[in-house]
Amino acid sequence: DAGVTQSPTHLIKTRGQQVTLRCSPKSGHDTVSWYQQALGQGPQFIFQYYEEEERQRGNFPDRFSGHQFPNYSSELNVNALLLGDSALYLCASRLGLAVYNEQFFGPGTRLTVL
Amino acid sequence: AQSVTQLDSQVPVFEEAPVELRCNYSSSVSVYLFWYVQYPNQGLQLLLKYLSGSTLVKGINGFEAEFNKSQTSFHLRKPSVHISDTAEYFCAVSEGGSNYKLTFGKGTLLTVNP
Repeated sequence: DAGVTQSPTHLIKTRGQQVTLRCSPKSGHDTVSWYQQALGQGPQFIFQYYEEEERQRGNFPDRFSGHQFPNYSSELNVNALLLGDSALYLCASRLGLAVYNEQFFGPGTRLTVL
Repeated sequence: AQSVTQLDSQVPVFEEAPVELRCNYSSSVSVYLFWYVQYPNQGLQLLLKYLSGSTLVKGINGFEAEFNKSQTSFHLRKPSVHISDTAEYFCAVSEGGSNYKLTFGKGTLLTVNP
């Protein structure tokens, strides 16, 4: 079992550009969540996808958008990048929506915006 | 709104000493509580969780935590730490129901010295 995988591992972009991050959930999981972890901070919830729909969203602007595919994999898109978007982006998966089901995290994508 | 405060940003201890990492939460409803560990350059791994029932929860790697509703706390303890326990520890809360997100604290860096 490969667990949650994310690509790419690292990414460097410049202000104003757009970026797409990818996530494959753990085998058997159908729910994917995305978190942003700034340096020295805890992860912050961006949004969660289930059945290809965004089910809940955190306090992030519309520049952050996502998608879930029929195979449950997911993408996070960020438009008009700002310096403050530099962070580790974590993907997590679980079976179903219930928060009491264990959530497994990927290793993250480190995004640097110059 | 749910929130988490981790009272110590860094906790240095000697190997084989006991340790307690403190976590307080705020919520207007019943909550689920979690502790995660993050090793360098890795994603988060679940240590333990409180959903209901016994207030003393045992997790992996010899860690345990106690839920105290009157104090709104969920402190993490280990009676004897090892060098390999050096990592960042995050406390998280969720109100459950239709609220699917986890809200994390800022983390506590546990450093175990020989």
